[in-house]
Amino acid sequence: AQSVAQPEDQVNVAEGNPLTVKCTYSVSGNPYLFWYVQYPNRGLQFLLKYITGDNLVKGSYGFEAEFNKSQTSFHLKKPSALVSDSALYFCAVRDMTGANNLFFGTGTRLTVIP
Amino acid sequence: EAGVAQSPRYKIIEKRQSVAFWCNPISGHATLYWYQQILGQGPKLLIQFQNNGVVDDSQLPKDRFSAERLKGVDSTLKIQPAKLEDSAVYLCASSWGEGPYNEQFFGPGTRLTVL
Repeated sequence: AQSVAQPEDQVNVAEGNPLTVKCTYSVSGNPYLFWYVQYPNRGLQFLLKYITGDNLVKGSYGFEAEFNKSQTSFHLKKPSALVSDSALYFCAVRDMTGANNLFFGTGTRLTVIP
Repeated sequence: EAGVAQSPRYKIIEKRQSVAFWCNPISGHATLYWYQQILGQGPKLLIQFQNNGVVDDSQLPKDRFSAERLKGVDSTLKIQPAKLEDSAVYLCASSWGEGPYNEQFFGPGTRLTVL
């Protein structure tokens, strides 16, 4: 069975500071990993994904994530937070066989304080 | 490029009533998904279509939920009869193909309130 854990329901960070949103996963086999962002009253927007290759993945709006196989983690990062980054962030995992569908975590609400 | 369209955006019904949601995916996207997102939780897959065929409906409560994608383009999700616990946001998503590496593009969702 596959699962995703986002251990922090809420992350607060000051504008201009680096941000990290944590995600750990469990799949049988190798994973495909995704980050999505959800703004109020809008659907989820794709940020970035890890498929294979370089463990550091760069995505939209200056976000990046690092795949760490030994720690089964895929933390989302940004060097300098903007107030407009305030939103709900979801980590999702799918195993490479495709036998199981995309499984989402419960989300982390990021608030960037001016 | 137009995104995934969904309607209505909001719906309020009484329990035991019926409701239907409509989704039009991004042009050319063969794979369409319906998700249920309960407040405070991540989206949960209800059903996946590849063109007009069902790939996975293992988590669809088939006694009350049904979905179709007759011409392989737009899709309808129906609940009949609705229960209080069906209150949620129903998200439609689409992708180029059904490969597990494909990112999904989501619509704005339909917020259903069952009273």
